[in-house]
Amino acid sequence: NAGVTQTPKFQVLKTGQSMTLQCAQDMNHEYMSWYRQDPGMGLRLIHYSVGAGITDQGEVPNGYNVSRSTTEDFPLRLLSAAPSQTSVYFCASRESGNTIYFGEGSWLTVV
Amino acid sequence: GQSLEQPSEVTAVEGAIVQINCTYQTSGFYGLSWYQQHDGGAPTFLSYNALDGLEETGRFSSFLSRSDSYGYLLLQELQMKDSASYFCAGLNTGGFKTIFGAGTRLFVKA
Repeated sequence: NAGVTQTPKFQVLKTGQSMTLQCAQDMNHEYMSWYRQDPGMGLRLIHYSVGAGITDQGEVPNGYNVSRSTTEDFPLRLLSAAPSQTSVYFCASRESGNTIYFGEGSWLTVV
Repeated sequence: GQSLEQPSEVTAVEGAIVQINCTYQTSGFYGLSWYQQHDGGAPTFLSYNALDGLEETGRFSSFLSRSDSYGYLLLQELQMKDSASYFCAGLNTGGFKTIFGAGTRLFVKA
């Protein structure tokens, strides 16, 4: 059972470039989320989805887009990367209960 | 909105008991969860309180008082491997969003 799978694990971008962080889960969970983690700031919610075709903004959505065309996939798109988006990104999923399952994280550096 | 406050660091001795507190302010609140994260790793679920009171899972216990907007994580018989960051997290009433505190770094000393 793979759980939540994120790719890539490491990425370096130049300012202004765009990219997509991929996320897939094989647990048939309805709820999926993207968080970013910066030193001393915990995990901040970027976007979340309560099911295929339904997404909403979290705490820090600016500069990011998401879509949820299938239950399994929830990609995060950086439209025009900025140094402030240098962070560790975690994709997560959960059932209707409270336990969140996280991917292994994606380390992104924007130079 | 929602916010959760927890201490930034706690230090304890191996074999001791440590308590990590979490206070929250939220307009609509469904329950409080706790997660552990080792350096370089992903957060992993520890415990969840939907109702007031104590939940026990092995060496870990979690407490919630909704009237006081307060909860804590209790770690007993501390081991070196418990050195990690611990996050409290609140699930909003709709059950859609989970918001995390900034985390408490626990240092366990020999």
